[in-house]
Amino acid sequence: GQQLNQSPQSMFIQEGEDVSMNCTSSSIFNTWLWYKQDPGEGPVLLIALYKAGELTSNGRLTAQFGITRKDSFLNISASIPSDVGIYFCAGPKDNYGQNFVFGPGTRLSVLP
Amino acid sequence: KAGVTQTPRYLIKTRGQQVTLSCSPISGHRSVSWYQQTPGQGLQFLFEYFSETQRNKGNFPGRFSGRQFSNSRSEMNVSTLELGDSALYLCASSRGGAGEAFFGQGTRLTVV
Repeated sequence: GQQLNQSPQSMFIQEGEDVSMNCTSSSIFNTWLWYKQDPGEGPVLLIALYKAGELTSNGRLTAQFGITRKDSFLNISASIPSDVGIYFCAGPKDNYGQNFVFGPGTRLSVLP
Repeated sequence: KAGVTQTPRYLIKTRGQQVTLSCSPISGHRSVSWYQQTPGQGLQFLFEYFSETQRNKGNFPGRFSGRQFSNSRSEMNVSTLELGDSALYLCASSRGGAGEAFFGQGTRLTVV
């Protein structure tokens, strides 16, 4: 079945540094969603991508839909302490429903 | 605009009992999906309801069921609870289609 892989699994960075993480799949996706989850809370949607090659920003966050449609990237610039959390990528299993498959997540820690 | 509301936030149940969780989607959203999140398996899709009909179903046993009402509110039921059902249950709301999904804060279910 479809599976998503995320790298790195975890990362420790200094406040102010830029962060890059990615998500890869063995299957083609037509949509990529990036979420952030704080402990004990539900995932919060950060960015949605709908077109191969698309580059979308949301404040300090920038995400790209890979040209092969099998990967996506998320960058965070000038990290701050509240960026701490787990970042998930997700893609739909089909084109019409909400059956999303999620990656295992990238755990981000920001050191002051 | 109010977000996705899940009730209750926390539940403790005994093995063998049943439980019902509730989800109120964002106003105007007709799709409600349910996910189970555990440390070992991550986020896994349970099922999706759209206009009171189950549109998608994940690979969970029949003990997991759901329904959606005419106002789009949804309930999820788990019967004959097992210890392994302990998890964060998340509900996601969307307009429909394979687009953006917005999560609630989740219900933390503990089975003892």
